Amino acid sequence: DGGITQSPKYLFRKEGQNVTLSCEQNLNHDAMYWYRQDPGQGLRLIYYSQIVNDFQKGDIAEGYSVSREKKESFPLTVTSAQKNPTAFYLCASRNRELGTQYFGPGTRLTVL
Amino acid sequence: GQQVMQIPQYQHVQEGEDFTTYCNSSTTLSNIQWYKQRPGGHPVFLIQLVKSGEVKKQKRLTFQFGEAKKNSSLHITATQTTDVGTYFCAGNTGGFKTIFGAGTRLFVKA
Repeated sequence: DGGITQSPKYLFRKEGQNVTLSCEQNLNHDAMYWYRQDPGQGLRLIYYSQIVNDFQKGDIAEGYSVSREKKESFPLTVTSAQKNPTAFYLCASRNRELGTQYFGPGTRLTVL
Repeated sequence: GQQVMQIPQYQHVQEGEDFTTYCNSSTTLSNIQWYKQRPGGHPVFLIQLVKSGEVKKQKRLTFQFGEAKKNSSLHITATQTTDVGTYFCAGNTGGFKTIFGAGTRLFVKA
């Protein structure tokens, strides 16, 4: 919730273009996550990062890439290799002690 | 792999009726969390259950964690239109990955 920002809220891109989604948190959380949500569906894990300079593939990593150069930032790039990129993308960070996740407001990506 | 199944997928209720959503894991969980996502919004953390058989209440919401720590439920008493949204359960097995259920979408008719 509060403390995690994603930008932009809505994003339109042409097919074949790479696009980078921003995620920033000021909660001092070590772990960060990217999820994809399709209409009426649940959350599917794309990538996650436990610490700076380290990240792991989730369940649907193909066509996506991430970096974690700073603790506060975990940008997601949707590449042209992602066959159906139009979706709602949610970033989250995790409180280590409690194990709970805090989500950003999300970015709705539409590829035309 | 580990799965968390959630039922029902949808539930339509009349305002004032009760509502329950159920969550079942294929493996034993270290804890389970519940989130609510309002239409057009993002998931918001509601509660976490850790102990076997644990029951927690938040006003009209009652959360239960099964004795075997493989299932959980969320019960809402006397639903209101403000309860509309999708309720997700999410299970942890001790690592960094949280497995989300597909969610139950609640519709409340005034």
